[in-house]
Amino acid sequence: GNSVTQMEGPVTLSEEAFLTINCTYTATGYPSLFWYVQYPGEGLQLLLKATKADDKGSNKGFEATYRKETTSFHLEKGSVQVSDSAVYFCALHNFGNEKLTFGTGTRLTIIP
Amino acid sequence: GAVVSQHPSWVICKSGTSVKIECRSLDFQATTMFWYRQFPKQSLMLMATSNEGSKATYEQGVEKDKFLINHASLTLSTLTVTSAHPEDSSFYICSASSSGQGDYGYTFGSGTRLTVV
Repeated sequence: GNSVTQMEGPVTLSEEAFLTINCTYTATGYPSLFWYVQYPGEGLQLLLKATKADDKGSNKGFEATYRKETTSFHLEKGSVQVSDSAVYFCALHNFGNEKLTFGTGTRLTIIP
Repeated sequence: GAVVSQHPSWVICKSGTSVKIECRSLDFQATTMFWYRQFPKQSLMLMATSNEGSKATYEQGVEKDKFLINHASLTLSTLTVTSAHPEDSSFYICSASSSGQGDYGYTFGSGTRLTVV
């Protein structure tokens, strides 16, 4: 079946530091991959996505590249801000299956 | 972009009472809606999947008689927690999907924090 393994948190960084949150997946076929962000007390917002191998999703300075050879979709940002503090979820969707499969989430805290 | 409205955003109820949570897709037709439960500092647990006009499909271990899901139209799904107890206190999130969005795009509601006292 499908599964997503995500870097355990929490992660604490100083402002302007470089961020990497690792995500690897197991799936049959060619899934679509997503990163969602959840701010305190809110639902999830789509941060970025990639639908095929070597695609790069990007948004708000965040990037992730769909690497089929390593089954990974690591989230990166070159210079984080305090406002990036949130929980980040990696997820995948396989065509023919309606459900999203989520990772466990990584709590990110940025300190000034 | 696609918007899903979920309300109430928070609710406190007495043990034994029922609570209804609504999830509406505002600018698209949601062929499928999903209901999740999230415990503090944990990931989302899918409770059930509902398609408009048909019965919801519940995940293993989720009591269908306790968590009633109705998806009567392409823009509205409701989750009713019946005879709520303190252990039902949690953060509930809905998500709506439409094949018309392409890539089976998912849009999430802002969540409902339920506290049963």
